[in-house]
Amino acid sequence: GEDVEQSLFLSVREGDSSVINCTYTDSSSTYLYWYKQEPGAGLQLLTYIFSNMDMKQDQRLTVLLNKKDKHLSLRIADTQTGDSAIYFCAGGGGATNKLIFGTGTLLAVQP
Amino acid sequence: DVKVTQSSRYLVKRTGEKVFLECVQDMDHENMFWYRQDPGLGLRLIYFSYDVKMKEKGDIPEGYSVSREKKERFSLILESASTNQTSMYLCASNQGHSYEQYFGPGTRLTVT
Repeated sequence: GEDVEQSLFLSVREGDSSVINCTYTDSSSTYLYWYKQEPGAGLQLLTYIFSNMDMKQDQRLTVLLNKKDKHLSLRIADTQTGDSAIYFCAGGGGATNKLIFGTGTLLAVQP
Repeated sequence: DVKVTQSSRYLVKRTGEKVFLECVQDMDHENMFWYRQDPGLGLRLIYFSYDVKMKEKGDIPEGYSVSREKKERFSLILESASTNQTSMYLCASNQGHSYEQYFGPGTRLTVT
């Protein structure tokens, strides 16, 4: 089955850029998503990219997709303390509506 | 806005008890999902349902069952809770063939 991996932890200083990486094994995903989970809360969709795109920019967020290497990244510009959260990548595709989630990356923003 | 609610934020149960976790969505979504979230393991799909009275096993269904008698409500049942089922449980829903899922706030279950 699909395997989606992320590094567990990233620490950055406020104002710096953050880059969260994700690698996946199944290239049949139609969409790839980034979800954010703040402490004590459920997951909220941050952004997504269609599998035939290489890049998507949405304000401070930039998503890069390298299909050849099966690598997805999320860049957050001018990282703020409010960006501290767990970030999950997820892929969806195939015959069902199931999403396969990565292990999550805890982003800690130091003031 | 889509709203997905879960019956409890925190729950403490004893080993062997039967546990019901309830999830309700208010957007007439066809599909509903139950996940458990554990540190370092991400979200793992337990069961999902694509219609009333329909259910499909996810990746880790052992020790769980589900019920969907009404479209808006999806229940997760632990027939006999065990300590290894201590976890955060997340419910989600989506519409038809949309992959975007909307999540509830989660229930943190502790089994002692």
